[in-house]
Amino acid sequence: GAVVSQHPSWVICKSGTSVKIECRSLDFQATTMFWYRQFPKQSLMLMATSNEGSKATYEQGVEKDKFLINHASLTLSTLTVTSAHPEDSSFYICSCGSGGYNEQFFGPGTRLTVL
Amino acid sequence: AQSVAQPEDQVNVAEGNPLTVKCTYSVSGNPYLFWYVQYPNRGLQFLLKYITGDNLVKGSYGFEAEFNKSQTSFHLKKPSALVSDSALYFCAVEANKLIFGSGTRLLVRP
Repeated sequence: GAVVSQHPSWVICKSGTSVKIECRSLDFQATTMFWYRQFPKQSLMLMATSNEGSKATYEQGVEKDKFLINHASLTLSTLTVTSAHPEDSSFYICSCGSGGYNEQFFGPGTRLTVL
Repeated sequence: AQSVAQPEDQVNVAEGNPLTVKCTYSVSGNPYLFWYVQYPNRGLQFLLKYITGDNLVKGSYGFEAEFNKSQTSFHLKKPSALVSDSALYFCAVEANKLIFGSGTRLLVRP
């Protein structure tokens, strides 16, 4: 399957700061990228779907002004957690697809800890 | 509400024995069904999917899953478990978006 990377793999930040997480598809062009959030011992929850060159579609309950998503190219999407708070601490996972929801390719995840 | 249930937090099995990881779903219509595996510090890896056709789907690493429409289940199976199969397994349903179960940790002991 396709290779997807995320950077950083983990980050610790102070409350009130912003954190940017990168998601890259290394060997194919991803027209669609997805961002998920995973709490300990819980499911992955879809946060938003982004298509290259257009605005992201956010799931209900996800604040688009807090979780900024940019999908500027077919190989890179970024998630910026603005003014992070301790409750934003979580495992963030991206995935890439060639279109639709069939067989997404997932990144290794980024663990965010907000102090 | 649409949901996916994995009733077992953990499944323990001895190497060489068959394994089953359970999944049931509650989704309207005819959804696509998936199994993914997650190893420590790694992304989710696709194992198999059911779209239509034969109820028994064969996937990667010797895994297979059986779709049962009447029981709305999609249990993951393998005839002979390996220690290297120990990982976290997620069932997922596509219903306009991927809906994941809570995950089942499989522990295969030597």
